[in-house]
Amino acid sequence: GAVVSQHPSRVICKSGTSVKIECRSLDFQATTMFWYRQFPKQSLMLMATSNEGSKATYEQGVEKDKFLINHASLTLSTLTVTSAHPEDSSFYICSASKGGRGQQETQYFGPGTRLLVL
Amino acid sequence: ILNVEQSPQSLHVQEGDSTNFTCSFPSSNFYALHWYRWETAKSPEALFVMTLNGDEKKKGRISATLNTKEGYSYLYIKGSQPEDSATYLCASYTNAGKSTFGDGTTLTVKP
Repeated sequence: GAVVSQHPSRVICKSGTSVKIECRSLDFQATTMFWYRQFPKQSLMLMATSNEGSKATYEQGVEKDKFLINHASLTLSTLTVTSAHPEDSSFYICSASKGGRGQQETQYFGPGTRLLVL
Repeated sequence: ILNVEQSPQSLHVQEGDSTNFTCSFPSSNFYALHWYRWETAKSPEALFVMTLNGDEKKKGRISATLNTKEGYSYLYIKGSQPEDSATYLCASYTNAGKSTFGDGTTLTVKP
């Protein structure tokens, strides 16, 4: 068990449009979900942490009005890149954890979404 | 150490060789260290979550050790197989809730 899906796997959009990425835990309830981005040849960088039913906690330097995160249920979190621009082109990946032990919890990752903004 | 550093960046070994790589992390405010295996076009797979100084964990042919006082963790693979080819990531977590991922070590095992 512990499968996380992400949709879409790849998206190309025009500058100025908004893009929504879904992250679902398929066979478990995710107490906490995490969103990361990865630029080419760089490491994963945590963008935000979200708990079901509460506002996401954003990392320093991540614009919360730009990257809207909604964690509406224990199995679904969404990341919306609003008014996307070419510099938002990146690999976005989510992960989910089952319990409430914070960073001692194993994280289960989705396969990621590659966003290209033209 | 201010960031999480992994070495080597890449590694090519023959099938059957044993190998190891290093994750160095800031020892202050340490909370947990995670190891992941990331195969191309797949999701990163959790290998170990380590929290205590001196921890040793094992999963099949893969094992890891942790030294929180000096800020390093080693990952060992015994008798490498082609299916072990992947990027191995470590991530350090502080007690303030900050996580930092390393750039990974990419392992290629040649048959």
